[in-house]
Amino acid sequence: SQQGEEDPQALSIQEGENATMNCSYKTSINNLQWYRQNSGRGLVHLILIRSNEREKHSGRLRVTLDTSKKSSSLLITASRAADTASYFCATAPSGWGKLQFGAGTQVVVTP
Amino acid sequence: DTAVSQTPKYLVTQMGNDKSIKCEQNLGHDTMYWYKQDSKKFLKIMFSYNNKELIINETVPNRFSPKSPDKAHLNLHINSLELGDSAVYFCASSPSETAGELFFGEGSRLTVL
Repeated sequence: SQQGEEDPQALSIQEGENATMNCSYKTSINNLQWYRQNSGRGLVHLILIRSNEREKHSGRLRVTLDTSKKSSSLLITASRAADTASYFCATAPSGWGKLQFGAGTQVVVTP
Repeated sequence: DTAVSQTPKYLVTQMGNDKSIKCEQNLGHDTMYWYKQDSKKFLKIMFSYNNKELIINETVPNRFSPKSPDKAHLNLHINSLELGDSAVYFCASSPSETAGELFFGEGSRLTVL
């Protein structure tokens, strides 16, 4: 069964704007990860946030985690056309290493 | 010096045929995975091997048989291909079986006619 679900399914913004996408999950987790997939390519790891962390930054990326609501958000600030991709959250259930992915948010950044 | 490489990148075949996809990682990781991505981009784990031993086997038809000759290689063989097997298959690796960052290959797009 699908563990993480991203929202929205698709997002269209202009360069310079911020993009926010959310991920909800169902069971307790060890950590939550975000990945990017460019069209026709493999997934690339962006950031990992552990269950005892609430916020993490990496460059223009900001991830939050609310374990009480079983949700996470990914914010991309000052977006660029090169940020056009699908973004996936993936959860690692507590005590087990199997990483489960959502269906992704497709982000289009227009110049 | 590609970290996770899989071949072939594209595979077009007829129903009923048998095909294989190969994967190799040069990262020195202990754990390798096969994921299937469907047309809606949903990624589902199929198998995982840790040091050549099968540790995850999701509810995948037994027409799919993974083989890990050593910890750097994980191949996927599919027998009696069906239309529903059309998808992109991704190989990935991670340092260990406890969930950390996954490193993905570029994918193998399988089209069954």
